[in-house]
Amino acid sequence: NAGVTQTPKFQVLKTGQSMTLQCAQDMNHEYMSWYRQDPGMGLRLIHYSVGAGITDQGEVPNGYNVSRSTTEDFPLRLLSAAPSQTSVYFCASSPPGTGRYYGYTFGSGTRLTVV
Amino acid sequence: DQQVKQNSPSLSVQEGRISILNCDYTNSMFDYFLWYKKYPAEGPTFLISISSIKDKNEDGRFTVFLNKSAKHLSLHIVPSQPGDSAVYFCAALKAAGNKLTFGGGTRVLVKP
Repeated sequence: NAGVTQTPKFQVLKTGQSMTLQCAQDMNHEYMSWYRQDPGMGLRLIHYSVGAGITDQGEVPNGYNVSRSTTEDFPLRLLSAAPSQTSVYFCASSPPGTGRYYGYTFGSGTRLTVV
Repeated sequence: DQQVKQNSPSLSVQEGRISILNCDYTNSMFDYFLWYKKYPAEGPTFLISISSIKDKNEDGRFTVFLNKSAKHLSLHIVPSQPGDSAVYFCAALKAAGNKLTFGGGTRVLVKP
């Protein structure tokens, strides 16, 4: 099925561990982004990409790295997990310039707990 | 400082009645406004959007109103159905930008 696929759905990490959250889309969308959702704060933008090889920081980028080597994939790396990174992470994508009219397509999320 | 605010964290409404969700913003550079619906354990799904040059946009049971001078928008759901029970987020985009800025969400419960 066409859409945005996030893996894993759930993850528990120990403080200091590293991991990569995967995001893949099969809609040939150029724009991809990562958000985190925390209670009462809505979704906050971590990093985004407007195409392969191009990434930029969002509102809360500290502690996270991204790269975009292909149009389809946009992984999010936590280098040294901290309890403050406990959250639900969403990946979203859209064709260029159309997100404002038709919205962005979101994945189903990764629930991350850092202990 | 939150640039997009949803001041009502929750709303309860009877089936068949109108649900009104409110959203305020502070940044006058926002050009487009979107509403998303989110069920538990799922990602947000797009509902409806409105450009800053309009004051109303309708799609079926959903209508979004924009008051640019007051920096306020609202989403009306008429009639409300039990399946509308979810968390609703408003979001804003700047002109020529891609970055969505979200409000904190409003949880809607539609009672049968």
